Amino acid sequence: AQSVTQLGSHVSVSEGALVLLRCNYSSSVPPYLFWYVQYPNQGLQLLLKYTSAATLVKGINGFEAEFKKSETSFHLTKPSAHMSDAAEYFCAVILPEGYGKLTFGQGTILTVHP
Amino acid sequence: GAGVSQSPSNKVTEKGKDVELRCDPISGHTALYWYRQSLGQGLEFLIYFQGNSAPDKSGLPSDRFSAERTGGSVSTLTIQRTQQEDSAVYLCASTQGNEQYFGPGTRLTVT
Repeated sequence: AQSVTQLGSHVSVSEGALVLLRCNYSSSVPPYLFWYVQYPNQGLQLLLKYTSAATLVKGINGFEAEFKKSETSFHLTKPSAHMSDAAEYFCAVILPEGYGKLTFGQGTILTVHP
Repeated sequence: GAGVSQSPSNKVTEKGKDVELRCDPISGHTALYWYRQSLGQGLEFLIYFQGNSAPDKSGLPSDRFSAERTGGSVSTLTIQRTQQEDSAVYLCASTQGNEQYFGPGTRLTVT
């Protein structure tokens, strides 16, 4: 069973528009949740993480995500897209039985149009 | 401070050859992970080292893959008798708490 699902392999927005990247997880116990960003030919950079503290998590570059247990979701948002936000975004979880290893979603490529 | 480094950044090898990929984690990080990123499979966990404990090898795709971590620091991932399906970006991460810091990866191309 897929532990983390990202809806939409490609998302396209206009510069200045809202960015919404969707992530749902499947675990009976809320896991640790992460969003990573990968720019072309670079490694993964942590945007933000949820570790059972505040449900609304603020990250770098103006991104934030809200943990919703009832919906088993951890969607990533940014109020106003910038051209520099174009990248691939990965949602990831550390499952309670996962010994700290990350399980990744399939990734969402964000394109920002001028 | 220095982040996680990996070498080489790119490696092209012929099918059937052995390759070694190196990871230098952040100093003081006790846990180290290897992941593979490929077009068809996305990001997959390969192996995990934690201190002096036996590594978790549950993600290694075949017995051609092995890894070691010497002195609790540098790690080497070895792929023997490489196949074309081994072509991927191999990422290393070291951990502080539950936050993983990734290296830039090694892009392996098997021709």
